[in-house]
Amino acid sequence: RKEVEQDPGPFNVPEGATVAFNCTYSNSASQSFFWYRQDCRKEPKLLMSVYSSGNEDGRFTAQLNRASQYISLLIRDSKLSDSATYLCVARSQGNLIFGKGTKLSVKP
Amino acid sequence: SQTIHQWPATLVQPVGSPLSLECTVEGTSNPNLYWYRQAAGRGLQLLFYSVGIGQISSEVPQNLSASRPQDRQFILSSKKLLLSDSGFYLCAWSPTGGVGYTFGSGTRLTVV
Repeated sequence: RKEVEQDPGPFNVPEGATVAFNCTYSNSASQSFFWYRQDCRKEPKLLMSVYSSGNEDGRFTAQLNRASQYISLLIRDSKLSDSATYLCVARSQGNLIFGKGTKLSVKP
Repeated sequence: SQTIHQWPATLVQPVGSPLSLECTVEGTSNPNLYWYRQAAGRGLQLLFYSVGIGQISSEVPQNLSASRPQDRQFILSSKKLLLSDSGFYLCAWSPTGGVGYTFGSGTRLTVV
């Protein structure tokens, strides 16, 4: 079983749509969690950390459910510029473990 | 502010040739340093990490090696490249005790 699993997509949505990405992690000892964004042929960049209480940054909302070992990212009012691959990340034993990513394509 | 530099951006090398990729970090001291590889259609795979000069931990056995000759310098090497070494190589750093990573711009390696 992979340590961090995500639906690979692609998710094709129209501008203005709300889209949700889900992720599960296998190591219950994982300490912290993140969402990274990776544009085509570029390096991943930190989008936001994920906290148990849930956190919001503008149009982006992240949630963590430790009991279910489940992480989510919600994007509201999606923009063309949101098109990218979204990587779910868990910190385990001091290192970051990345999921393979979910590709999002926002269409006009 | 802290910056991370990685070069070259792209590289085409024949099978059996050596490899040396360099990564440097500026604006911080004693960073944790990492080498990741992202193969086509696959996720980011941690190859090596270092918590200090001369300290290297290998996550995946392979024909690659890493060295940290200076505090803010991390080098990825191979004596003889294989076709399977092709991929997108990313260096990253985090502060000691920090949790988030910052990645360099990556090197796209094609072994032919």
